[in-house]
Amino acid sequence: KAGVTQTPRYLIKTRGQQVTLSCSPISGHRSVSWYQQTPGQGLQFLFEYFSETQRNKGNFPGRFSGRQFSNSRSEMNVSTLELGDSALYLCASSSRDSTDTQYFGPGTRLTVL
Amino acid sequence: AQSVTQPDIHITVSEGASLELRCNYSYGATPYLFWYVQSPGQGLQLLLKYFSGDTLVQGIKGFEAEFKRSQSSFNLRKPSVHWSDAAEYFCAVGQAAGNKLTFGGGTRVLVKP
Repeated sequence: KAGVTQTPRYLIKTRGQQVTLSCSPISGHRSVSWYQQTPGQGLQFLFEYFSETQRNKGNFPGRFSGRQFSNSRSEMNVSTLELGDSALYLCASSSRDSTDTQYFGPGTRLTVL
Repeated sequence: AQSVTQPDIHITVSEGASLELRCNYSYGATPYLFWYVQSPGQGLQLLLKYFSGDTLVQGIKGFEAEFKRSQSSFNLRKPSVHWSDAAEYFCAVGQAAGNKLTFGGGTRVLVKP
């Protein structure tokens, strides 16, 4: 089975722009979660989608949003980028709607200039 | 609210020596516990998990972890490290509903030849 894929792998944007990141889960997985990883704050949970519904949301401003499509692929969007949004954004998928093993993708490295 | 503490930010160990990484968690109910490893520029790879049952859990790459409820700990061990074990290790706790993970700050392991 193919693993979790994320595109693009690297992005450079400037302040004020918006960005969309994509995640394709493992085939058959219906839960997709997003995490932000920075040197200062570590790994922080952004949100989780299951069957196109957001089930959990972390403590991030409304500039961070996401969605999930009927094929379980997910996108996250960050509007009005700030320098502090520079981070590795990780996507993880799992097969169940309750606590289960999450499999992570390689991440998208976002740099905001 | 759940939380995870990894007291050691860096650990240096000689190749062939044993390794133990500490993890303490705070969670009101039965915890779902995970250890992940991250190599530079990569996503997270699951080493092992504890949901219930035997408190000594075996994982991949020769790692094991022991759940101790009385100490709220889930320490990771390996009897003999290899140079390829140099990486950052993250302990995480999951909640009962949904797939949100709360991560510790990570422990970076350096392996000396």
